[in-house]
Amino acid sequence: KQEVTQIPAALSVPEGENLVLNCSFTDSAIYNLQWFRQDPGKGLTSLLLIQSSQREQTSGRLNASLDKSSGRSTLYIAASQPGDSATYLCAVRRSQAGTALIFGKGTTLSVSS
Amino acid sequence: GAVVSQHPSRVICKSGTSVKIECRSLDFQATTMFWYRQFPKQSLMLMATSNEGSKATYEQGVEKDKFLINHASLTLSTLTVTSAHPEDSSFYICSTRPSGSFTDTQYFGPGTRLTVL
Repeated sequence: KQEVTQIPAALSVPEGENLVLNCSFTDSAIYNLQWFRQDPGKGLTSLLLIQSSQREQTSGRLNASLDKSSGRSTLYIAASQPGDSATYLCAVRRSQAGTALIFGKGTTLSVSS
Repeated sequence: GAVVSQHPSRVICKSGTSVKIECRSLDFQATTMFWYRQFPKQSLMLMATSNEGSKATYEQGVEKDKFLINHASLTLSTLTVTSAHPEDSSFYICSTRPSGSFTDTQYFGPGTRLTVL
């Protein structure tokens, strides 16, 4: 059974810092991995999607890497801003395309100005 | 971009009543929709996969007679929590992916906060 773990559970940093969020999964047979952002009481916003054949994806100040063989992914946020404060969720799709996502519990980030 | 809506966004009901949550894909047709549940400080857990025109597939531990899913059209899926109890209080989120899409990105609705008194 696939399990997704995110470390740390919570993180507080001052504005401007670079930071790394970690995600690990127990079954390396994934189709892809996706990072989401969730604001309090709201739905999810997709940030980055990495296919199993890819090593990393970048969007603006965000960079996500994937090491499928070791079951790990990291989300790197450069020059953090107060607006980045949210919960970041990592999710993997099972081996077949079109199937549902399996989520970690998330890392709650707080960026102070 | 793709938009998925949910209604209502928040509902408070008495124990024993039934609550219907709607999930609509506004910009595309969706053969498959997924229903997730999120308890406080927990991850999103898949409850069921809703397929247009056929019966939903439920995850282990999810009672299909309690959580009724109807996916009658390519743009609408409904989740009905029957005889709700306080332990059903949670955040319910639907997601989907455009039918025939070449992208694997899933789009999520804004969620429905259910509180059962």
